[in-house]
Amino acid sequence: GAVVSQHPSWVICKSGTSVKIECRSLDFQATTMFWYRQFPKQSLMLMATSNEGSKATYEQGVEKDKFLINHASLTLSTLTVTSAHPEDSSFYICSAVDRGFAEQYFGPGTRLTVT
Amino acid sequence: QKEVEQDPGPLSVPEGAIVSLNCTYSNSAFQYFMWYRQYSRKGPELLMYTYSSGNKEDGRFTAQVDKSSKYISLFIRDSQPSDSATYLCAMSGGGGNKLTFGTGTQLKVEL
Repeated sequence: GAVVSQHPSWVICKSGTSVKIECRSLDFQATTMFWYRQFPKQSLMLMATSNEGSKATYEQGVEKDKFLINHASLTLSTLTVTSAHPEDSSFYICSAVDRGFAEQYFGPGTRLTVT
Repeated sequence: QKEVEQDPGPLSVPEGAIVSLNCTYSNSAFQYFMWYRQYSRKGPELLMYTYSSGNKEDGRFTAQVDKSSKYISLFIRDSQPSDSATYLCAMSGGGGNKLTFGTGTQLKVEL
């Protein structure tokens, strides 16, 4: 199956700093990538959809200036959490889709803790 | 009413049992149906993918889609303790579209 990686797997940062999370498709070209966050014992919540070379589309209620998404190439998308606060602490997961296909392949997730 | 309904469980079964997991949905535009398995603190893993109605089998797993009833199922045969995880159904209307997820069913397979 297709492989998606995320880096880092776990990050701790101080309140007010910014954190960048990378999502890479390792063996296919991801024309579309999605970013989710997940709180304990809850399902995935879609934050935004990004298509290579264009601006991300954010879901209602997600602050685009706080969660910056860049899909610069067909294998890499980044999520930057700016001016992080403790309430941003969560599990962030990306997924990727190859052009014309419906199956989404997920990365292993990044656990963010803001102190 | 949610677009996709899934019993959250928890569901506890003995090792070797047949497990049946189900989701119902309301949006008739959904054409692509997926089942994911998620272990604690890990990303979801794609188990089964089905387009439109029908059955699909892969090893111990069988996925069924009944679009007329808007009902999908995942069967796990000869369940193992390693199958203990949360199972998420997901569906979309087209390639590259965002997925709509069920809430997930927590499964525990006991020795």
